[in-house]
Amino acid sequence: DQQVKQNSPSLSVQEGRISILNCDYTNSMFDYFLWYKKYPAEGPTFLISISSIKDKNEDGRFTVFLNKSAKHLSLHIVPSQPGDSAVYFCAASDSTSGTYKYIFGTGTRLKVLA
Amino acid sequence: ETGVTQSPTHLIKTRGQQVTLRCSSQSGHNTVSWYQQALGQGPQFIFQYYREEENGRGNFPPRFSGLQFPNYSSELNVNALELDDSALYLCASSNGLAGNTDTQYFGPGTRLTVL
Repeated sequence: DQQVKQNSPSLSVQEGRISILNCDYTNSMFDYFLWYKKYPAEGPTFLISISSIKDKNEDGRFTVFLNKSAKHLSLHIVPSQPGDSAVYFCAASDSTSGTYKYIFGTGTRLKVLA
Repeated sequence: ETGVTQSPTHLIKTRGQQVTLRCSSQSGHNTVSWYQQALGQGPQFIFQYYREEENGRGNFPPRFSGLQFPNYSSELNVNALELDDSALYLCASSNGLAGNTDTQYFGPGTRLTVL
């Protein structure tokens, strides 16, 4: 049972345009969400997070939106740059579980075309 | 401030053998989590250590065990290796103060191949 789903395995976007990466979850107890970026042969790098008490969080070119009723979050990258080409993972955690483990999606490979 | 480091980078073992992977947490962090990432999948939680005590475990058999030392570095041990244990093993550290909203910072991983 996959509790966090990234249904698009890959996405291609032109440089300068917006990249939108999507993530759906099934567990209504999740209350903290994160996005990580991963380059080959490196560990995941933290990008941005959002608590369930918010519906939007911005950090520079990156914005995460959370729709709790739809159990959906998205990451917007504006403008997209070739260096953004990587695999993006969304992750979620449930603070009531007593363990601060992250449940990850399977990732979306973003390719930004110059 | 040094980030999370892991050793070794790569490792090749045969079925039935045992392996120990090591992780040094980021300066100031007292919590270490271990994840397994199989090819084409997202990382899967193995277990977490907070101040030298196990603080939760994922759906992994007992042959996966861990340890955290007083300096908050950590080891992951896997006994009786199986072919399916071939994966990237990731260590992540956090400061254990903000609870659920702690952000975990990952090391570069150890690539384990079991033949």
